[in-house]
Amino acid sequence: DQQVKQNSPSLSVQEGRISILNCDYTNSMFDYFLWYKKYPAEGPTFLISISSIKDKNEDGRFTVFLNKSAKHLSLHIVPSQPGDSAVYFCAASGNTPLVFGKGTRLSVIA
Amino acid sequence: DAEITQSPRHKITETGRQVTLACHQTWNHNNMFWYRQDLGHGLRLIHYSYGVQDTNKGEVSDGYSVSRSNTEDLPLTLESAASSQTSVYFCASSPTGINYGYTFGSGTRLTVV
Repeated sequence: DQQVKQNSPSLSVQEGRISILNCDYTNSMFDYFLWYKKYPAEGPTFLISISSIKDKNEDGRFTVFLNKSAKHLSLHIVPSQPGDSAVYFCAASGNTPLVFGKGTRLSVIA
Repeated sequence: DAEITQSPRHKITETGRQVTLACHQTWNHNNMFWYRQDLGHGLRLIHYSYGVQDTNKGEVSDGYSVSRSNTEDLPLTLESAASSQTSVYFCASSPTGINYGYTFGSGTRLTVV
């Protein structure tokens, strides 16, 4: 049973617009959430994270929002750039190894 | 600079053969993990270790084993390779007591024919 769900396998956005990637989780014990970015033929790299005691965390063009009551988090990228084209994985931890979603492939079109 | 390296980058093997994938990190991290990435499944945990002589099974551990004899290395062994084990394998590490902030290797693409 999937504990971390990314229901959109792919997303296309025009350069300069906002990209919104969504993630849902089912395990109430998760208390830390992360987004990883992955380019082809490379390992995933850490992008941004948020603790369950917060509802928002910003880092430059990237913002993660957490809605604990809905068990939902989202990653906003503003403005989107062609170099942002990659697969984005949502991950969650609750004193256990990270559990990852299936990923969303983001394509930013120039 | 500290790093985490996986070898080989690509491997083709035959069904039934034993295969070992190497993972070496110079971060001095106690925690090390093996994941596999498959289309439609994302990253799934195979085995993990929280220190020397410690190993634990993950979500998809059947047919795989690991051993941790030092801090730097966590080799992953496929006891008898099967076509279902064709995948991209990623090793990761993280500092002691922290279950986030993983640093990943570049991956090993394994094909079982």
